[in-house]
Amino acid sequence: GENVEQHPSTLSVQEGDSAVIKCTYSDSASNYFPWYKQELGKRPQLIIDIRSNVGEKKDQRIAVTLNKTAKHFSLHITETQPEDSAVYFCAASKVSGGYQKVTFGTGTKLQVIP
Amino acid sequence: NAGVTQTPKFRILKIGQSMTLQCTQDMNHNYMYWYRQDPGMGLKLIYYSVGAGITDKGEVPNGYNVSRSTTEDFPLRLELAAPSQTSVYFCASKVGQGTDTQYFGPGTRLTVL
Repeated sequence: GENVEQHPSTLSVQEGDSAVIKCTYSDSASNYFPWYKQELGKRPQLIIDIRSNVGEKKDQRIAVTLNKTAKHFSLHITETQPEDSAVYFCAASKVSGGYQKVTFGTGTKLQVIP
Repeated sequence: NAGVTQTPKFRILKIGQSMTLQCTQDMNHNYMYWYRQDPGMGLKLIYYSVGAGITDKGEVPNGYNVSRSTTEDFPLRLELAAPSQTSVYFCASKVGQGTDTQYFGPGTRLTVL
């Protein structure tokens, strides 16, 4: 089955600096890659996603890049702010057995230091 | 729209007890999911449903059962609770097959002692 690895597990940055979180996946059939932000005690919420026919997508301070050949994708947060502090999960998704199967990474705890 | 709602928010069970975690969505989504999230870990799929009357196992189904009698409701049943089932349980839904967004409920924190 699909295996998604996520690094680093924890990341501390100074406010205003950039943060990069990297994920690799194993199944070349995966074609959709969402990123979720989970604040402490809250539910995961989608922040950005990318499909396999696109190499990069940007939404204000957040961007995601995808390298299908190398099977890795990354989340980039620029000009970090304290409210960016949360756990971020990547995921890889494909259609399997008639449904969209989603495999999550283990998460990155981002701390933005004011 | 309330989105995806879950009850209860917290629950403590004794070993061997049973309970049902409730999940309801008012977005008329066909697909619904149950995940568990262990401390410091990602989400593991327990069961999913592609529509009323249709359910199937995910990665970690042992010790759980589900039913989907209506589009709105997708309850998760724990029989004979074990300490290994201590976790946070999230229900999620999405419109249908394809690369559309999953919407998560607020979660149920379950402790089995």
